[in-house]
Amino acid sequence: AQSVTQLGSHVSVSEGALVLLRCNYSSSVPPYLFWYVQYPNQGLQLLLKYTTGATLVKGINGFEAEFKKSETSFHLTKPSAHMSDAAEYFCAVSDLRANSKLTFGKGITLSVRP
Amino acid sequence: DSGVTQTPKHLITATGQRVTLRCSPRSGDLSVYWYQQSLDQGLQFLIQYYNGEERAKGNILERFSAQQFPDLHSELNLSSLELGDSALYFCASSLTLSRVDGYTFGSGTRLTVV
Repeated sequence: AQSVTQLGSHVSVSEGALVLLRCNYSSSVPPYLFWYVQYPNQGLQLLLKYTTGATLVKGINGFEAEFKKSETSFHLTKPSAHMSDAAEYFCAVSDLRANSKLTFGKGITLSVRP
Repeated sequence: DSGVTQTPKHLITATGQRVTLRCSPRSGDLSVYWYQQSLDQGLQFLIQYYNGEERAKGNILERFSAQQFPDLHSELNLSSLELGDSALYFCASSLTLSRVDGYTFGSGTRLTVV
């Protein structure tokens, strides 16, 4: 079975600082990887996804992630944090089978200090 | 508005009762997924339907059941409710079974069992 590990449950950065949220996956076949964001009292919104091709993926709101097969990682970054980035972030991997079930990590809460 | 509609948004009910959560997928999406989100368990996959047929089951209790109707809307039925069933229940939809799609999430139903 595929799985996702998001180390730590909370990251705090200052406004304007680099955001780095870590995600490691396990998969015996090439994975499809996703990052979702959840703002308070809302559903999850797709930030970006990696399927095939270019390993550096750009998403919405200035976020990007790099697929590193050798490290089984798909870390999410943003060069300069904004107060509006405060939310919970989930990494997910697509299931091996054709039914495309997503397996989510436990999520990381990002706080942005003024 | 993501295009996935979940009703009701909030539900408060007593232990032992039965409730029905409803989901209308984004227009054109054939696959519907149900997830339970709680503080201790994170996002747990419950069940998936594709074009009216059950395709995958996750950690869904026997007290819970679901179905997808010919118009593609889905209902999640929770019975003999316990305090521990209090959680956010999300519905998501995708166009196909392709691993590329990712999901579009609804804003969730917050269930409180008292």
